[in-house]
Amino acid sequence: DAMVIQNPRYQVTQFGKPVTLSCSQTLNHNVMYWYQQKSSQAPKLLFHYYDKDFNNEADTPDNFQSRRPNTSFCFLDIRSPGLGDAAMYLCATSRSRDRVYEQYFGPGTRLTVT
Amino acid sequence: AQKITQTQPGMFVQEKEAVTLDCTYDTSDQSYGLFWYKQPSSGEMIFLIYQGSYDEQNATEGRYSLNFQKARKSANLVISASQLGDSAMYFCATRIYNQGGKLIFGQGTELSVKP
Repeated sequence: DAMVIQNPRYQVTQFGKPVTLSCSQTLNHNVMYWYQQKSSQAPKLLFHYYDKDFNNEADTPDNFQSRRPNTSFCFLDIRSPGLGDAAMYLCATSRSRDRVYEQYFGPGTRLTVT
Repeated sequence: AQKITQTQPGMFVQEKEAVTLDCTYDTSDQSYGLFWYKQPSSGEMIFLIYQGSYDEQNATEGRYSLNFQKARKSANLVISASQLGDSAMYFCATRIYNQGGKLIFGQGTELSVKP
């Protein structure tokens, strides 16, 4: 019954070693979001896809990239992780960008950078 | 710019009692929506309840209700009959339509339910 799936749940990577986090959804939603949540902070949006249209937040570092090969899947690539990128990464989906619709979140991937 | 404020970093409540988590918001939009999410220690964000700015009645979902006071710009979450499983972080949020519908969150309130 899982609707938004994230793999892996825990990821350990080395400083500077590229890492990819994945997200899949069974809801057939048009919009997919990636949020970064650091310890004891609120989630912060990195970027989102509206269908195939990629939308980057102005303050998202270039180190972060994303791909959405089809409706169901979305990937977060961190090209050269730094210690400051250790965080929980949350994927979310929504039927549309309209304010009346909730976002459904996956369980998150907790990234550790050593 | 939209902003969500949660002034209670932590709250304690006795099991089976009701608890209110505060949320105030600031927005220049005439039409907006307010959400509450629960985040257990496992990390997943769980949607609890939604209130639209034009909804005349306060939203309710099971043991959750939203005390919406538009003039005061507050949208407090009320949890009735608290359970041990309610212990979690709770976030109030709003969506910004012209910025991709992203959620803007408050800083959260950590709720601890005592047996």
